[in-house]
This record gives sequence, structure tokens and C-alpha cells, in this order.
Amino acid sequence: LAKTTQPISMDSYEGQEVNITCSHNNIATNDYITWYQQFPSQGPRFIIQGYKTKVTNEVASLFIPADRKSSTLSLPRVSLSDTAVYYCLVGVYNTDKLIFGTGTRLQVFP
Amino acid sequence: NAGVTQTPKFQVLKTGQSMTLQCAQDMNHNSMYWYRQDPGMGLRLIYYSASEGTTDKGEVPNGYNVSRLNKREFSLRLESAAPSQTSVYFCASSEDHSLSNQPQHFGDGTRLSIL
Repeated sequence: LAKTTQPISMDSYEGQEVNITCSHNNIATNDYITWYQQFPSQGPRFIIQGYKTKVTNEVASLFIPADRKSSTLSLPRVSLSDTAVYYCLVGVYNTDKLIFGTGTRLQVFP
Repeated sequence: NAGVTQTPKFQVLKTGQSMTLQCAQDMNHNSMYWYRQDPGMGLRLIYYSASEGTTDKGEVPNGYNVSRLNKREFSLRLESAAPSQTSVYFCASSEDHSLSNQPQHFGDGTRLSIL
């Protein structure tokens, strides 16, 4: 089964850029890598997804190297409201299963 | 815009009791999922239904059963609850499980405690 690894926690200050990496071996060849954000007492919410190289939307960027063994979520100029847990979601190679990473708790300080 | 609705939001059970968690989505999605979330463990897939009429096991299916009642509804049943099933349960849906670029939409969870 594919295994995904994320740092347990990260601290940052308002206005800084934050990069959260998810390491994943044995992921599905043709599946996208997706990132979610979760606030306390809520379900996860979609942030961004990509297959290769770089994807950018209005809230984040996602960098995926050619070997697809990792992905990095980049949050530019974080604010207090970005304090949350961030999860990557990947497909498992040769199956139709999807698994979440263990999650990274981001704390943003003023 | 209800999205994914889960009931109940909270529940306390005694060991050995049974219970069904309900989930409904109004986005006309084909695929639905049940996850459990435990501290330090992230989200683990219990069962999923890629389309109406089909269900498949996820990572942690033991002790659970599911029913895809129709396209809108996907229920999770605990036949004989155990303390190890104390968790937060999330239901999610997506347009099509076979297309990984379809984001999943989550409900706000059911907090279940088993004494």
C-alpha cells in the first residue's frame, strides 16, 4: 500500500510563505495529487490539485517533481486564518484506492 | 447549498449497541465515501461507493457495514459498537471515483463515543 508522510506540525508568522511537503511512494501513475485544509469541527475542504510540475490558484501553489514521489503545498503570505491542518490525498498504485496523508498542523502567529 | 449532510452530529453509545450513521448529498455525485478520523491518524477510508449499487472496502472496514440506498444516500452501520470505534466519522462525495481530479466534498462529521 502506498504510504504518505507529512511533517506533524509547522509554525509560521503572518505574512510569511509556508511550504508543506508530502512524501508518497508507490502512488498511482495517472492519478492527481490533491490537498485539503481542515478547521476544527469541520470536514476537510479542497485547496488545490495537480499531476506534474506546478499548479497555482488564488490561494495556493502546488509543486510536483517529475518523479512524483513528493509534492509541496505553498501558501503565500499566510494569515491567522490559515491556521489549520493540511492533508495530501493520493491514489494507490495499481488500485482504485485513495489514501490521505497523516496531516500537518500549521499554526500561524501574529 | 446543503452539500453533504450527516446525521446525527453527536452520539454516545454503550458497547454492543448498534447504530446507523446517515449521509446525504444534493450535488448529484456518483461516488460517496465514509472515513474515520482519530487523533494522530489522519483520515482513514472505511468504505466507499464508486457508483449507485456498488460498495467496496477501504483501509479499515472491519466492524462496519454500508448501504448505498440510492444516488443521494450512503449509510454506515455499526452492528455491535466497540470502544475502539470511538471516532469522528466523515462522509464525502465526488463526481466520479474513477477520475482522481474530482475533489471530494465533505460533511461536518459525526462525533461518536462508545462507552
